[in-house]
Amino acid sequence: AQSVTQPDIHITVSEGASLELRCNYSYGATPYLFWYVQSPGQGLQLLLKYFSGDTLVQGIKGFEAEFKRSQSSFNLRKPSVHWSDAAEYFCAGRTGFQKLVFGTGTRLLVSP
Amino acid sequence: DGGITQSPKYLFRKEGQNVTLSCEQNLNHDAMYWYRQDPGQGLRLIYYSQIVNDFQKGDIAEGYSVSREKKESFPLTVTSAQKNPTAFYLCASSIIRHSVSGANVLTFGAGSRLTVL
Repeated sequence: AQSVTQPDIHITVSEGASLELRCNYSYGATPYLFWYVQSPGQGLQLLLKYFSGDTLVQGIKGFEAEFKRSQSSFNLRKPSVHWSDAAEYFCAGRTGFQKLVFGTGTRLLVSP
Repeated sequence: DGGITQSPKYLFRKEGQNVTLSCEQNLNHDAMYWYRQDPGQGLRLIYYSQIVNDFQKGDIAEGYSVSREKKESFPLTVTSAQKNPTAFYLCASSIIRHSVSGANVLTFGAGSRLTVL
């Protein structure tokens, strides 16, 4: 079955430190992959997306993600975290016209 | 500014009552979706619609109903048959580009929180 897995439920990072959020996918073909961010009580905002081509994708707010076919991963990274980055992050994927499948999310806490 | 408006933001319901959540978009998107969000479970698809007067069940449609009488509107009714309706509900929309289907990025509303008393 097609699935997206986010193995970390919570992650705490010090402000100014680097961040990497993990996402693994299980699809027969190369999926379209997305990262969304959700602030408490709000909807989801698209950070970045991967369709094809360059495996390093740049997004908004200084985020980037790298598609690694050999590891079935699409990890989200940021070189220096700001307190305003504290939120919940969702990885999602789909192939063709299939429905978008979301991971269970990773909650990011930023310590001073 | 274009976007998706969900109302109400908070809703309280007594057991046995039906409630309807509103979702309106002015993005001229063809497709609209309803998701349910529970802590630790991510987003689960309830219903989606790709065209007016047509909609399909998602993964957890039992106890819910929808209509799509206008392109801009996709209301969700949570019926008394839904056993555990307390959750955060998110509406989304997207264009449909058949040439690059995966490019259909979802735009989300701010959500509605339903609590059953």
